Amino acid sequence: DIQVTQSPTSLSTSVGDRVTITCRASQSISTYLNWYQQRPGKAPRLLIYAASILQSGVPSRFSGSGSGTDFTLTISSLQPEDFATYFCHQSFSPPFTFGGGTKVEI
Amino acid sequence: QVQLVQSGSEVKKPGASVKVSCKASGYTFTRYGFNWVRQAPGQGFEWMGWISTSNGNTAYSQKFEDRVTLTTDTSTTTAYMELRNLRSDDTATYFCARSSDRELATWGQGTLVTVSS
Repeated sequence: DIQVTQSPTSLSTSVGDRVTITCRASQSISTYLNWYQQRPGKAPRLLIYAASILQSGVPSRFSGSGSGTDFTLTISSLQPEDFATYFCHQSFSPPFTFGGGTKVEI
Repeated sequence: QVQLVQSGSEVKKPGASVKVSCKASGYTFTRYGFNWVRQAPGQGFEWMGWISTSNGNTAYSQKFEDRVTLTTDTSTTTAYMELRNLRSDDTATYFCARSSDRELATWGQGTLVTVSS
């Protein structure tokens, strides 16, 4: 199975900060890497797919980059509604696996 | 708008089975497949399997393939996940998620399954 290591596990930030979250895959996954946001008690929401494509309706302050084994999610200027948990997901080969999540908090 | 509405919480005894439903609306059901993913309390996500709504093809995680069955009913635009021989470590929130290509574009609200004697 492909392991996906996400870091950091938590982040203490402020409104307006630039936030960077990384995921590293245990083998090359091309650009089959997706990013999601989950607020407490809610279903996950797709933010970025295929490493860098912004899902329709997602604010442009979210961006993704990377290919192969190393990927990054960036929030350019954190807004109050962005305090949530973020996780990555590799869809290169089954079993599809997930990063452990990054909790972004004040 | 696209919506996935899952069935309600369940409490089951060890060894029992559970069947979770996921009712889809707002799009052509047979155009997209479904993944099922679970999240144990305080843990990360675990992919269980995928089903095509057009031909019923499935792919299962080896971890679950002897205990899980994914099905769909195109007449009611509903996807189902049945997990058998439940154990305490199956206690989790189970999500259905519609696949666009390889990404999980839309998720159901989740169904909490508690396994306890």
